[in-house]
Amino acid sequence: GQQVMQIPQYQHVQEGEDFTTYCNSSTTLSNIQWYKQRPGGHPVFLIQLVKSGEVKKQKRLTFQFGEAKKNSSLHITATQTTDVGTYFCAGTSNSGYALNFGKGTSLLVTP
Amino acid sequence: DSGVTQTPKHLITATGQRVTLRCSPRSGDLSVYWYQQSLDQGLQFLIQYYNGEERAKGNILERFSAQQFPDLHSELNLSSLELGDSALYFCASSVGGQAIYGYTFGSGTRLTVV
Repeated sequence: GQQVMQIPQYQHVQEGEDFTTYCNSSTTLSNIQWYKQRPGGHPVFLIQLVKSGEVKKQKRLTFQFGEAKKNSSLHITATQTTDVGTYFCAGTSNSGYALNFGKGTSLLVTP
Repeated sequence: DSGVTQTPKHLITATGQRVTLRCSPRSGDLSVYWYQQSLDQGLQFLIQYYNGEERAKGNILERFSAQQFPDLHSELNLSSLELGDSALYFCASSVGGQAIYGYTFGSGTRLTVV
């Protein structure tokens, strides 16, 4: 079945440094979504990418969807302590009804 | 408040017991999804209901079952509980039946089996 892999598993940065997490799928995805889960919280929807090569920005966050629609990335510029949490990518194949989540990248930002 | 309500927030029970987790989706959402989150397995999809009908099944054990009622709330039943079933169980909802809509998650039920 479809698997979504994320790297790295953990990332520890100093405040102000950049951060990137990568997501790879074993199959072509119809779309990819990104979620953020704060410690002790629940996943919160950030964004969805649908088109091949699509790039979307939300303030300091940049999301990309690969040309082959099998990989994606989330880049945070100049991290802040409020960025702490686990970032999940999730995708589905064309016939899928439910999202398959990666295991997430846990980001720790120290001031 | 995300609009998705899960009860109870915490549950402690013994091995071999049965529990029921409840989820009320966000107003207007027809789909309910159940996910299990554990430290080593991440978010595992269990089952999806759309407007009262089962739509998709994931890695749901035979000891687990779910249903969605006419008022769209859903219940996840876990029986013959084992220590390994200890996890955070999330319910999520979306307006449509396919995974092209962002999910709204509830705050989860933390299940501890002792």
